[in-house]
Amino acid sequence: SQTIHQWPATLVQPVGSPLSLECTVEGTSNPNLYWYRQAAGRGLQLLFYSVGIGQISSEVPQNLSASRPQDRQFILSSKKLLLSDSGFYLCAWNPLGDAYNSPLHFGNGTRLTVT
Amino acid sequence: AQKVTQAQTEISVVEKEDVTLDCVYETRDTTYYLFWYKQPPSGELVFLIRRNSFDEQNEISGRYSWNFQKSTSSFNFTITASQVVDSAVYFCALSEGGNSGNTPLVFGKGTRLSVIA
Repeated sequence: SQTIHQWPATLVQPVGSPLSLECTVEGTSNPNLYWYRQAAGRGLQLLFYSVGIGQISSEVPQNLSASRPQDRQFILSSKKLLLSDSGFYLCAWNPLGDAYNSPLHFGNGTRLTVT
Repeated sequence: AQKVTQAQTEISVVEKEDVTLDCVYETRDTTYYLFWYKQPPSGELVFLIRRNSFDEQNEISGRYSWNFQKSTSSFNFTITASQVVDSAVYFCALSEGGNSGNTPLVFGKGTRLSVIA
């Protein structure tokens, strides 16, 4: 069966520090991978998605970046965190080619607090 | 571009009451999918239902039912005889059937449901 792992679960970082959140999927190949952010009162905002290794689409311009170094690994990064980067970050996947009709499977999320 | 509106930010009901969560969507595509997800206090998002644009038949699953009306671009979700365990944030989402087949889901802002014992 497929599983998605996301870590860490919680993170407190000072403003200006770097960020690296990791997400891995097991039990499937060539998944679509997504990073969403949930900030208070703003629902779920799509940040990045990837349809393959090295292929990243950015939905919202900001100081965050994403990379996909391996087929089932998706990394969210920042060189310098801002206070506004605080939020709940969710990684998700669904089968390649089924992005629009297949449900997303979500990880447990990372709660990031920038102080 | 697609858009999903959940006008109800928060709803509180007493246990055993029925409650309807509204979802209105916008899309220019004729092929699209609508989804509902539940986010309990623990944080993970749980998939509840998927409906494609060509199937307007309403669906019932236990205490849950969904009313899809293309004429009003709505996909409302009703919980019958609500229970405390139904307390969660509920998200409606939409994806369009793009030519590439890779169209990410767009979510509404969610409705926080509190069921009081």
